[in-house]
Amino acid sequence: TAGITQAPTSQILAAGRSMTLRCTQDMRHNAMYWYRQDLGLGLRLIHYSNTAGTTGKGEVPDGYSVSRANTDDFPLTLASAVPSQTSVYFCASSAGLADYTDTQYFGPGTRLTVL
Amino acid sequence: SQQGEEDPQALSIQEGENATMNCSYKTSINNLQWYRQNSGRGLVHLILIRSNEREKHSGRLRVTLDTSKKSSSLLITASRAADTASYFCATAFSSGGSYIPTFGRGTSLIVHP
Repeated sequence: TAGITQAPTSQILAAGRSMTLRCTQDMRHNAMYWYRQDLGLGLRLIHYSNTAGTTGKGEVPDGYSVSRANTDDFPLTLASAVPSQTSVYFCASSAGLADYTDTQYFGPGTRLTVL
Repeated sequence: SQQGEEDPQALSIQEGENATMNCSYKTSINNLQWYRQNSGRGLVHLILIRSNEREKHSGRLRVTLDTSKKSSSLLITASRAADTASYFCATAFSSGGSYIPTFGRGTSLIVHP
């Protein structure tokens, strides 16, 4: 079972360019999440989706957009990248349990450098 | 920020010793989870403790929760070099009918063989 996959593994991007980070899960999970991880700051939630067709803003949503057209895919788009978006990006999914006992399953991450 | 905070930020011990990490959080919670991250990898779930539980064990892991102090601890007994990783606590808070997960900044554990 693949679980949750992310692409690309790493990317160097010129400032001002756009880019979409891909995330796919095969566990039929309802909820999906995008985090960024920066040294000393831990994981910060960018956007989330509780179910297909819905999305919500996390702690640091500015400069990012997401869509959830189906259960499996949750792409993250940077419309016009800036150097402060240099980070490691993790996608995660969870079953979306009503009692909030969800375990999150993480992808391997995408290392993005914006120059 | 709704983040929990782990303490210490870094911990260096010898193989065979016990490692204790602490987590403090700000809001009321339904449960608290601990995750592990090996260098360059995604996080992996270790253990969940519910708000009505005070202690939970899983193998060499022992987690405690004190909701009155809004704190939790993770104890790894008889540590091994393979336990070298970063450890994060995670909670969730309810906002606008949604469940918002939040992670602390993590404790970096190094276990020397």
